[in-house]
Amino acid sequence: SQQGEEDPQALSIQEGENATMNCSYKTSINNLQWYRQNSGRGLVHLILIRSNEREKHSGRLRVTLDTSKKSSSLLITASRAADTASYFCATDALVGGSYIPTFGRGTSLIVHP
Amino acid sequence: DAMVIQNPRYQVTQFGKPVTLSCSQTLNHNVMYWYQQKSSQAPKLLFHYYDKDFNNEADTPDNFQSRRPNTSFCFLDIRSPGLGDAAMYLCATSRTTGRNEQYFGPGTRLTVT
Repeated sequence: SQQGEEDPQALSIQEGENATMNCSYKTSINNLQWYRQNSGRGLVHLILIRSNEREKHSGRLRVTLDTSKKSSSLLITASRAADTASYFCATDALVGGSYIPTFGRGTSLIVHP
Repeated sequence: DAMVIQNPRYQVTQFGKPVTLSCSQTLNHNVMYWYQQKSSQAPKLLFHYYDKDFNNEADTPDNFQSRRPNTSFCFLDIRSPGLGDAAMYLCATSRTTGRNEQYFGPGTRLTVT
């Protein structure tokens, strides 16, 4: 089944800097989602962007989607130490007649205070 | 607060000894999912229920079974755990499939000795 691939696998920045993570996928999608996971915890939904949308904002988060390149990016502006987490993109996979989010390996972000 | 609850948070079992992980939700969502996540890897979908309709991922081992006795509860049964089954098990819900975000529980960390 389709799986998004995040890049880079690990990112280390200083507090206040911006963090950009990318996601590439292989086949056409209905929508793409970004999730965050703190160490040893469940995933938390951040943003869903539909295939007919190009950009979406939520607070310090900005997500772009380029369906021609089959890629998406997540930008976190003015990062904080509390943003330290793993970030996953999820794309649709057809399972049993339903579209189910399928996750990539994630980007591990460390924000140093 | 509406939420997804997983019990226990940590489970230790012996090689070959059956174990059951539980998940409950107060969101009244139609869909419940079980994911397996190993260290530094993507959450891997094992199966999902849409109401009572069970959908098994093609590569989910027969060793893994699931039950959903009602809307609120879903169980993951591992009939004969092997060392390779040690992982974090994540339960998630969504209102429907497709464009809906998923809500995750905190996960159960399974150790097999």
